[in-house]
Amino acid sequence: DGGITQSPKYLFRKEGQNVTLSCEQNLNHDAMYWYRQDPGQGLRLIYYSQIVNDFQKGDIAEGYSVSREKKESFPLTVTSAQKNPTAFYLCASSTKGQGAAYEQYFGPGTRLTVT
Amino acid sequence: GESVGLHLPTLSVQEGDNSIINCAYSNSASDYFIWYKQESGKGPQFIIDIRSNMDKRQGQRVTVLLNKTVKHLSLQIAATQPGDSAVYFCAENMAPGGGNKLTFGTGTQLKVEL
Repeated sequence: DGGITQSPKYLFRKEGQNVTLSCEQNLNHDAMYWYRQDPGQGLRLIYYSQIVNDFQKGDIAEGYSVSREKKESFPLTVTSAQKNPTAFYLCASSTKGQGAAYEQYFGPGTRLTVT
Repeated sequence: GESVGLHLPTLSVQEGDNSIINCAYSNSASDYFIWYKQESGKGPQFIIDIRSNMDKRQGQRVTVLLNKTVKHLSLQIAATQPGDSAVYFCAENMAPGGGNKLTFGTGTQLKVEL
C-alpha cells in the first residue's frame, strides 16, 4: 500500500520535554509538509521541504524543528520553546511541480497532548 | 465560509439533497485551488482540484466552481449522503510558479440529516 504513515496516533508529554513526531511516505514524493491543527480551525503550515537536505519555515515555525535526511522521512520535533504544543499534527507530501502546484496527500495525524 | 474562534460554519442538509459549500479566497494571483474532506480525528482527504484557467470542474458527485472576479470557490455535492458528513476545507496555492504551498481556509462542517 502506498501512502503516508504517522506515528504514534496519540502522544503524551510533560511540559518542558522535547518530542519528535514521525512521518514516512512511500509515494516517492519530493515535497513534504508539516501542519498544525487546533480544534475547530484550519491547518497552519509549520515547515516544508521540497527536496532532501533542504527545508523552509512555514507560517508558525517558532518552537519547532525538522530534518530531511531521506526522501521518505520528515520528522518534526516539538521543542520546549513551543508555548502551546497541544494540537493535532498532520504530515503531507506531494509531487514537486515545475511551476505548477499539485495535491498534497495527508497522513492520519498525531494528536499531541502536553501537560 | 469564514469562522470566528472555535465555531465552524455549519451547513445542515437532508439526505438526498444537494449541498453547496462556499469559500472566499484571498490572493488574486493564486493559480490552484483544492477541496479536502476531513472526518473527525483523521487526516484530510482530497476531493477535487481546479486550476485558475478553468471555472468549473466535475468529479463523481462533486463539482467545483471558481469565480476569479470575486475570488470565490464553491463545492457542490449532489445527492448528499450520510457518509458526506465531515468538515470541508478549501485551500489555495498562494505561490504560483514558486512551489506547492497551500493556504487553508477555516472549514465548514457539513451535517447530513436522515
